[in-house]
Amino acid sequence: DTAVSQTPKYLVTQMGNDKSIKCEQNLGHDTMYWYKQDSKKFLKIMFSYNNKELIINETVPNRFSPKSPDKAHLNLHINSLELGDSAVYFCASSQAGRLADSYEQYFGPGTRLTVT
Amino acid sequence: QKEVEQDPGPLSVPEGAIVSLNCTYSNSAFQYFMWYRQYSRKGPELLMYTYSSGNKEDGRFTAQVDKSSKYISLFIRDSQPSDSATYLCAMLKGVGNQFYFGTGTSLTVIP
Repeated sequence: DTAVSQTPKYLVTQMGNDKSIKCEQNLGHDTMYWYKQDSKKFLKIMFSYNNKELIINETVPNRFSPKSPDKAHLNLHINSLELGDSAVYFCASSQAGRLADSYEQYFGPGTRLTVT
Repeated sequence: QKEVEQDPGPLSVPEGAIVSLNCTYSNSAFQYFMWYRQYSRKGPELLMYTYSSGNKEDGRFTAQVDKSSKYISLFIRDSQPSDSATYLCAMLKGVGNQFYFGTGTSLTVIP
């Protein structure tokens, strides 16, 4: 069983379009994250949700809007896509409340977004 | 200045070599230190974690933390081609806090 899954795996779209990426985790974790990894492999936190509540919102354009319908899902909607949005987007989850588990984030396989 | 600095490499070594990967950080509030491994076109996976200063060994891997110098290292002994990946250090101030990742070091182990 896949622990953290993302759809789609690849997304090619034109500038100005609106797109969504979906993430689901079946680990029972209470915290989920969105990261952006650029071409130089730098992994940058975008958002973090704990029990459906936004707890981290880094300096990200407001064209990016996360939505967490329940603890197991965290979706990312992007409006008016720009060339600079091209990157790999990773969803991750962790159990922030349990000390033994809090060091480990489980990452999804990534969504490779290409904006043309 | 980024909170966590890591040499991006790339690093290329022959099979069997000892590999040393390093990160420095600026914030003394970091208490938990992790190493993640990321294979090409995959998500990162936790390799090791340590709390506070000292060494931790797991098979061919040793993680070392020197909080006085704000410096952490990952040593890989008897490196194998299957170790070829990008290695990212990560740090945490406390339970439930934000993870800070390094930029990753790309490692290739040549058979």
